[in-house]
Amino acid sequence: DVVMTQTPVSLSVSLGGQVSISCRSSQSLVHNNGNTYLSWYLQKPGQSPQLLIYKVSNRFSGISDRFSGSGSGTDFTLKISRVEPDDLGVYYCGQGTQYPNTFGAGTKLELK
Amino acid sequence: EVQLVESGGGLVQPGRSLKLSCVASGFTFSNYGMNWIRQAPGKGLEWVAYISSGSSYIYYAETVKGRFTISRDNAKNTLYLQMTSLRSEDTALYYCARHEAITTTANWFAYWGQGTLVTVSS
Repeated sequence: DVVMTQTPVSLSVSLGGQVSISCRSSQSLVHNNGNTYLSWYLQKPGQSPQLLIYKVSNRFSGISDRFSGSGSGTDFTLKISRVEPDDLGVYYCGQGTQYPNTFGAGTKLELK
Repeated sequence: EVQLVESGGGLVQPGRSLKLSCVASGFTFSNYGMNWIRQAPGKGLEWVAYISSGSSYIYYAETVKGRFTISRDNAKNTLYLQMTSLRSEDTALYYCARHEAITTTANWFAYWGQGTLVTVSS
């Protein structure tokens, strides 16, 4: 199985600040069709996860351009700029390149 | 608007069975693969199973293979998860989520239900 390692486990940020979350996979996430199926999700307290980014860098419909994804192969990053109160929660990366699909353990974003 | 509504969760004794349902609306259900994903209390996300739009392709996590069966009824816009031989470690909030990639073997999850809680305890 592909192991997804997220760092850090938690982050404290001031409103308006910028943060980066790292996600590393134990194997390359390049699919045999050439695409890379790495996605990012935010789970706010008491809610279902919501998709932010898919295929490394594509923002899902309605997602602010304050969220950006980058990376390739096994190393990926989610950047959040101008952090707002509604951005707080747990962020997960996930790989959909091979079954079983797997997720990182999560990064909790809190206010400083 | 895409909606996924799970039901069927509850308290069940170890070794017993339970069947979850997920009713879909707001899209053509028969055109999309579907997934079950679970989250143990206070823990992260664990993908459980996938079924293709026409039920030709099915994949399971090793932790549930042989005990859980994913199925669907496209006429009823409903996804199912039959769970047997339940264990305490199956206790979780179970989400259904739509498969977004065109490719069966690739996946991301744009739409999730609100989840249904399964508690396995004596």
